[in-house]
Amino acid sequence: NAGVTQTPKFQVLKTGQSMTLQCAQDMNHEYMSWYRQDPGMGLRLIHYSVGAGITDQGEVPNGYNVSRSTTEDFPLRLLSAAPSQTSVYFCASSSFSGGGSQFFGPGTRLTVL
Amino acid sequence: GQSLEQPSEVTAVEGAIVQINCTYQTSGFYGLSWYQQHDGGAPTFLSYNGLDGLEETGRFSSFLSRSDSYGYLLLQELQMKDSASYFCAVRDDYKLSFGAGTTVTVRA
Repeated sequence: NAGVTQTPKFQVLKTGQSMTLQCAQDMNHEYMSWYRQDPGMGLRLIHYSVGAGITDQGEVPNGYNVSRSTTEDFPLRLLSAAPSQTSVYFCASSSFSGGGSQFFGPGTRLTVL
Repeated sequence: GQSLEQPSEVTAVEGAIVQINCTYQTSGFYGLSWYQQHDGGAPTFLSYNGLDGLEETGRFSSFLSRSDSYGYLLLQELQMKDSASYFCAVRDDYKLSFGAGTTVTVRA
């Protein structure tokens, strides 16, 4: 099992550009989520999904879109990048029977100039 | 909304015991989780308390008191590799809300 994979690992964007951060998991987990982590802060939930075709907003959804067409994939789209979106982005997945355990991907380090 | 408080930093020597407290205020509560994150790495799951009491996993233990909206993570027999950030997280349905993290520094 590869677990949770994310691409790219690093990305530099210019203000106004758009891009998609990829996330995939091979554990057949129902729940997937995206977080951002800024220095000195915990992880903040951007969007989440409880199954294919179902998504919902988290704490900081503005400027981001998601879709969940399959159980495995949960891409995060930045519509028009802004310097405030410079952060480390983590994707995570879990099963509904997993209690409070989520499996995290390695992260994408995004810089917006 | 969710609000979690935990100390920002803790320093201890190898072999010591460290307790990281976490207090929370939440609109919904299913349980309290703990995660470890080394510099530059991804968070990894340590433990989960859905019910009051103590959960033990090797050198790490976690405790929850739902009536006090309080929990802690106990790190025993500290090792250098335990130097990391530790986050408590409240589970509300399937969503997790994280605290700001506690940086644990282990000295020789």
